[in-house]
Order: sequence, then structure tokens, then C-alpha cells
Amino acid sequence: QKEVEQDPGPLSVPEGAIVSLNCTYSNSAFQYFMWYRQYSRKGPELLMYTYSSGNKEDGRFTAQVDKSSKYISLFIRDSQPSDSATYLCAMSEGSNYQLIWGAGTKLIIKP
Amino acid sequence: SAVISQKPSRDICQRGTSLTIQCQVDSQVTMMFWYRQQPGQSLTLIATANQGSEATYESGFVIDKFPISRPNLTFSTLTVSNMSPEDSSIYLCSVARGTDQPQHFGDGTRLSIL
Repeated sequence: QKEVEQDPGPLSVPEGAIVSLNCTYSNSAFQYFMWYRQYSRKGPELLMYTYSSGNKEDGRFTAQVDKSSKYISLFIRDSQPSDSATYLCAMSEGSNYQLIWGAGTKLIIKP
Repeated sequence: SAVISQKPSRDICQRGTSLTIQCQVDSQVTMMFWYRQQPGQSLTLIATANQGSEATYESGFVIDKFPISRPNLTFSTLTVSNMSPEDSSIYLCSVARGTDQPQHFGDGTRLSIL
């Protein structure tokens, strides 16, 4: 079993829909949780960075961490075709620890 | 966030040769890392580039194959030595301003070995 599980998709939704992307993990020591967006032929771009449990909102993006369920989510409101990309979750035990990555979910927003 | 420039952006190389990839940041950073990413796959950490000392390599990666330099707080190089077709991949540089800060990535170097 992988430490971090993420459905590779593709996930295809119509423009304007609310998108939910998820990762589950097995290591209860993870404390730092990140979501990156990666466009084709580009490097990963940091979207959200959270510590421990709770919610964090930035514009159309909301990150949720549920440590009791070992489950993190990224919600995208009012999705746009420009949101079409691969979304990677990553997490670590502490600030100096190696990042553990999900496989990435390919998201397609249909106009 | 920091502006990270990687050179070259892509290259096609012959088997048995070596290629050095450069990573330049527009401001001083504490941490620099090198990753490998196969197309459509997630990221694999190769090593942490330490300023003024030897890089710290992850399991499965060795200094003879992937020598790394980091002469200062804004620059690092990764060399892929004695290349074979199995080394064809995307190589990414990432940086973090501090040990409690998230990583930011360059756009990568797409390497193909013939």
C-alpha cells in the first residue's frame, strides 16, 4: 500500500462546476499538506500549503485536512477551462522531512 | 515566490555522454532539491543540494551517476552522467526559503537519450 493514495483520473467536469480532489494517507505523523497544480510541460505550482487540520481558502480554492480520517481535499469553485491540469498532493512529517507525493489527478474542465 | 530558471529546458543526448543542468534562483534560498519525473508520473526526489557540502542522496541514487554542486545560496547544478535511455525523463529543481517553507519548482529539463 502506498503512503499517499490519489486517483489519477482523468476527472472531467463541465465549466462552472465545483470540483473535489482528494488524497488519503496512512502515516498519522504527516503534519504539512500541500496541493500543487501542474500544466503540461511546466513545473508544479504551489496552490495551497496547510499545517495540521482545518480549512484554508484562497480565492476559488479551498483546502481541507481531516487528520482523524487521514484525508485531504481540494475544492475548486466556479471551475474554468484554465483549471485543466494535473493536481498533485504532497505531505510531510515535518519541515525538514521528505515530501511524499500522490500520483496526481488529471482534471479536465469542459467549456 | 522565487523565480527559478532551469537550463537547458530540453535536450536530446547520445548514450554514454553526460549533461549538466543548471538551476538559478533570483533570491537566496535555504533549501534546493532535485527531482525526476517520468511523463504522466509523480515526482521522485533524487537529492537535497547542500550549500558548501556534499548533497544528500535518496535511496537508489548515487553521487557517481548524479553529481550535484551548490556553490552558493542561489545556484545549483545536477549532472546526469554516462547516460542511457533509462535516464530519459524530466528533471526538476525546487527551492524552499526556509526549512519550514513549502517548495517551489522550476519548469524542468526534458531529457531524451538516444
